[in-house]
Amino acid sequence: GAVVSQHPSWVICKSGTSVKIECRSLDFQATTMFWYRQFPKQSLMLMATSNEGSKATYEQGVEKDKFLINHASLTLSTLTVTSAHPEDSSFYICSAKRGLDYEQYFGPGTRLTVT
Amino acid sequence: GNSVTQMEGPVTLSEEAFLTINCTYTATGYPSLFWYVQYPGEGLQLLLKATKADDKGSNKGFEATYRKETTSFHLEKGSVQVSDSAVYFCALSPNRDDKIIFGKGTRLHILP
Repeated sequence: GAVVSQHPSWVICKSGTSVKIECRSLDFQATTMFWYRQFPKQSLMLMATSNEGSKATYEQGVEKDKFLINHASLTLSTLTVTSAHPEDSSFYICSAKRGLDYEQYFGPGTRLTVT
Repeated sequence: GNSVTQMEGPVTLSEEAFLTINCTYTATGYPSLFWYVQYPGEGLQLLLKATKADDKGSNKGFEATYRKETTSFHLEKGSVQVSDSAVYFCALSPNRDDKIIFGKGTRLHILP
């Protein structure tokens, strides 16, 4: 139990276009979902925290107009990278919390390459 | 601020060798400490955790002890297997319901 999926697993897009990444909790309802970004040989950096039905809370330095997060249901959160540029190329990872359980369950990540 | 520092990788060992991956942290208050593991092609999984000083977390033969006096949470295993090859992340949570702060990760290669 407690499986989190991400789609797509990798995506290549052209500079200036937008790309959407989905994060789904497959067998539980996720009250809170998190989006992380990971650069090569770097740690996971939290980008934002989202709760179902409310606006996401972004970490300092993260552009909320560029990285749009929608937590539309208890099993789905989406991250949209708008007007992507090569510097947005990275590995994006989501995680989800189940109810009052403090543990976070992680998705396998999405590799974004902007050309 | 809160931060986690872990040893640089990659670490390469032969099967059945003893493993230690060092991790130290900086935090205010009394954080919870974690080790996560990421196997190739999979998401991060919680390997073990400790929520207060002197607690020992253990799972799958791995152990780590919460040492407040040295602000450390080193990961150990007495006899590693090829299947332990993965990336290991040390992490902390300042508060139980708060965000998780990760170290950079240590890639482990076990040779048969």
